[in-house]
Amino acid sequence: GAGVSQSPSNKVTEKGKDVELRCDPISGHTALYWYRQSLGQGLEFLIYFQGNSAPDKSGLPSDRFSAERTGGSVSTLTIQRTQQEDSAVYLCASSLGWLAGEDTQYFGPGTRLTVL
Amino acid sequence: AQSVAQPEDQVNVAEGNPLTVKCTYSVSGNPYLFWYVQYPNRGLQFLLKYITGDNLVKGSYGFEAEFNKSQTSFHLKKPSALVSDSALYFCAVRDKQTGANNLFFGTGTRLTVIP
Repeated sequence: GAGVSQSPSNKVTEKGKDVELRCDPISGHTALYWYRQSLGQGLEFLIYFQGNSAPDKSGLPSDRFSAERTGGSVSTLTIQRTQQEDSAVYLCASSLGWLAGEDTQYFGPGTRLTVL
Repeated sequence: AQSVAQPEDQVNVAEGNPLTVKCTYSVSGNPYLFWYVQYPNRGLQFLLKYITGDNLVKGSYGFEAEFNKSQTSFHLKKPSALVSDSALYFCAVRDKQTGANNLFFGTGTRLTVIP
């Protein structure tokens, strides 16, 4: 179990509800990323955490999206008042970080979110 | 601005034949380049990367890619395709100069290896 893990694997929710998606990065990885993969699209960057630095939120599509990373490890992506266009696979990745001179990102299996 | 283009949505190749999956990129500075593979209902698996040095990069499962700066390309290749190589392949780029931390991905190429 040394890889990135995500939960739940699937989430079905009703429009307007809030959802929380969880990511457990690889132990020792200081950098953590969230991406969104919509049907027929590539991966869209959402947010990036590096250690204790302020996160790079430049990819979040609206203020309904937020994320936190507690203790420099586990991260939670929260989507408030979900809309049907939020339906996608949400992928988490972690890496050693650029400070380590190496930043290959390793991805989790994703959470498939369906908003009805 | 950074971007990646994968001009082919679908590539079909016969088992045992060589395969190429194309990728071109655009960055303002020098690129870091990556290839990932995605099997059905799975996350992305890292295949290989170009950071610096030799233009020909070798990666997992017999794949390789050649960095061509003049053509801004980073095509993925394998000398002999296997049916098990059938999957969705993504090229990604990061610009060394801009300080952006995330990868920019292409829209993916679905490779089908025909037995």
